[in-house]
Amino acid sequence: NAGVTQTPKFQVLKTGQSMTLQCAQDMNHNSMYWYRQDPGMGLRLIYYSASEGTTDKGEVPNGYNVSRLNKREFSLRLESAAPSQTSVYFCAIRDYLNEQFFGPGTRLTVL
Amino acid sequence: GQQLNQSPQSMFIQEGEDVSMNCTSSSIFNTWLWYKQDPGEGPVLLIALYKAGELTSNGRLTAQFGITRKDSFLNISASIPSDVGIYFCAGQPETGNQFYFGTGTSLTVIP
Repeated sequence: NAGVTQTPKFQVLKTGQSMTLQCAQDMNHNSMYWYRQDPGMGLRLIYYSASEGTTDKGEVPNGYNVSRLNKREFSLRLESAAPSQTSVYFCAIRDYLNEQFFGPGTRLTVL
Repeated sequence: GQQLNQSPQSMFIQEGEDVSMNCTSSSIFNTWLWYKQDPGEGPVLLIALYKAGELTSNGRLTAQFGITRKDSFLNISASIPSDVGIYFCAGQPETGNQFYFGTGTSLTVIP
């Protein structure tokens, strides 16, 4: 997965619980992204970070927060999980050639 | 957000046949990316395109950046069983850091 790691791989939450999805890269790139993937809907951007300390909303940011405390790590937080947030979450980086590389994903189920 | 129309939605072909799929956008893109995703995995980058009219190959795969800059095409020649998966296009508009994704083409290769 081109140097992008995600934890955990799987998670089951109850409605209202909170959790943080972790993403780390070992390639020193500035831009990092969080997507969710739902059946038949492709990948939709939740948040992205163009550089350390900056974050911007994507297409579907509601119910999520992000944190880019350093260049290597970009975390996604669900403060109060809802069943509609059941999805597969992918972290990605963008390199200097404008190519995006994805992590292996986190499969989240909210009951 | 930007809309990417990817077609066909699914394809069932005989091993050895050629495959074509395409993506169209409502606005001009500067970069087109093509990915393949296997079940339970993250998308893997196949080809990146940067200029209108550009034709790039990666083994049996060939992709083209449309001259209108609003479309892109992916061809797979002499398909084999391991080509099975979902293929996604992604594009980046002229401004901003975001990428937008098509809804995917599911490819089944019948031996």
